[in-house]
Amino acid sequence: QLVLTQSPSASASLGASVKLTCTLSSGHTTYAIAWHQQQPEKGPRYLLKLNSDGSHTKGDGIPDRFSGSISGAERYLTISSLQFEDEADYYCQTWGSGIQVFGGGTKLTVL
Amino acid sequence: QVQLVQSGAEVKKPGASVKVSCKASGYTFTGYGITWVRQAPGQGLEWMGWINTYDGNTNSAQKLQDRVTMTTDTSTSTAYMELRSLKSDDTAVYYCARDLGNTWVDFWGQGTLVTVSS
Repeated sequence: QLVLTQSPSASASLGASVKLTCTLSSGHTTYAIAWHQQQPEKGPRYLLKLNSDGSHTKGDGIPDRFSGSISGAERYLTISSLQFEDEADYYCQTWGSGIQVFGGGTKLTVL
Repeated sequence: QVQLVQSGAEVKKPGASVKVSCKASGYTFTGYGITWVRQAPGQGLEWMGWINTYDGNTNSAQKLQDRVTMTTDTSTSTAYMELRSLKSDDTAVYYCARDLGNTWVDFWGQGTLVTVSS
C-alpha cells in the first residue's frame, strides 16, 4: 500500500535551517514526491517536485531557501534562513497506479 | 498567470448533493488534468480524484467512488466536482488543483468550504 509518513511537528529558530522528512512505504521507495506548503488559514501552495534521482523542480516564485533531497525511502525538504512566514503545515504527495496520496503533514513552528 | 477560481461556500443538509466549480485561466486547459482534494476542519489533505480534461477519463478514491462525479466543460475551461448523499463528515474545504497527469499538482484553487449540517 502506498503510504507517506511525516512527523506531526517540527520546530527551529528564526534564521536557522530545518529538514523535514517524508518516508515512502516499502515497495515504493523509488517514487518521486511533491512538497506543498499551507500557511495558517490559507490554501496549499506547491513548493517543489523531488525526483528519485534527487533532482527537483520548483514552483513559480519559490525562494532558493527551499530545496529537496533524498536518501533511500526518505524524501527531505530543507528550508534555510528560516523566516516567520515559513511557519506552516508542510505536506508531501506522491502518486502511482492511478491514485495520489498525501502524507499527514508536518506543522513547522519558527521559534 | 495560472489561476484556478472556485465557486463560493455552500451549506447543505445531510443527504443532499453539492457541485463545486473550478474555472481555469492562464494556460491551455486540456493540456493538464484537474485533481480534487479536500481538507476537513483541523485535518490533513485527502485526495478525492482526478480528471483528464482532454478525454474526460477519471480516477477517484475508492472510499468516494460511488458518490463523486468529476466533469469538465472545455468551452469555458471549467472543472466540476459533484458529491452526493452528503454526510456531516463531508464538511471540509474542497480544493481543485492543476495536475500534471494524475501525478503531482502545481497550482491550487483558493478552496470552497462545504458545510453539511441539518
